[in-house]
Amino acid sequence: RKEVEQDPGPFNVPEGATVAFNCTYSNSASQSFFWYRQDCRKEPKLLMSVYSSGNEDGRFTAQLNRASQYISLLIRDSKLSDSATYLCVVRPAGSARQLTFGSGTQLTVLP
Amino acid sequence: EPEVTQTPSHQVTQMGQEVILRCVPISNHLYFYWYRQILGQKVEFLVSFYNNEISEKSEIFDDQFSVERPDGSNFTLKIRSTKLEDSAMYFCASGLAGGTDTQYFGPGTRLTVL
Repeated sequence: RKEVEQDPGPFNVPEGATVAFNCTYSNSASQSFFWYRQDCRKEPKLLMSVYSSGNEDGRFTAQLNRASQYISLLIRDSKLSDSATYLCVVRPAGSARQLTFGSGTQLTVLP
Repeated sequence: EPEVTQTPSHQVTQMGQEVILRCVPISNHLYFYWYRQILGQKVEFLVSFYNNEISEKSEIFDDQFSVERPDGSNFTLKIRSTKLEDSAMYFCASGLAGGTDTQYFGPGTRLTVL
C-alpha cells in the first residue's frame, strides 16, 4: 500500500462547482497532515494544515478521520484560479520533520 | 512576505560532473530541507538539516549527495558525480523551530543531466 494515496484525477469542473478530494495514508501513527497546491512546474505551496477537529479557510474545508486514515479537502464555489494539482501531505510517525507527499490530484476549473 | 529563494533556476550539466544547488531559507527559520521531483512524479524527501547537522535522510540521499550551511544564510546541496537519473526539480524548504512543522518551499532548481 502506498504511504499516501490520492485519486490522480483529473477533475474537470465548471466555475462555481463544489469539488472534493480524498486521500488515505498508511501509517496510523502519522503526526501531521497538510494540503499543498502545486501549479505546473512550480513549487508546492501550503494551502492548509488539517486538524482532527476539521478546519475551514474561506472556501476550503479540510477534514481528518484518524480512525479511517482518511483526509479530505472540499473546495466550494471553485474559481478558475483554483486550477492546480492538490497534494495530500503527511508527516509520518517516527519522523523528525520529513514530509511524505501523495502524487496529487489534478483540478481544472472550466469557465 | 519572506520567501525561500533558490539559484540557479535551471542547471544543465554533463553526466559525472559535480553540481551545487543553492538556497537561501527564510531568515528566522532553523530547519532546512531538500526535496526532489522527477518530472511527472511525486515530490520526494531527500534530507533535513538542523543545528548544523543532518537530522534525517532518505534512501535517495546516498554518498553522492551532501548538504552544507556554509554561512548564516545559504544552504547548499551538492551532487558529486551526477547521473542521468538525477535530472529533476530540486526544492529547498525551511521551517520554524518549535511545535509547528509547516514547511515553506522555494521555487526550485531544474537540474538537467546530459
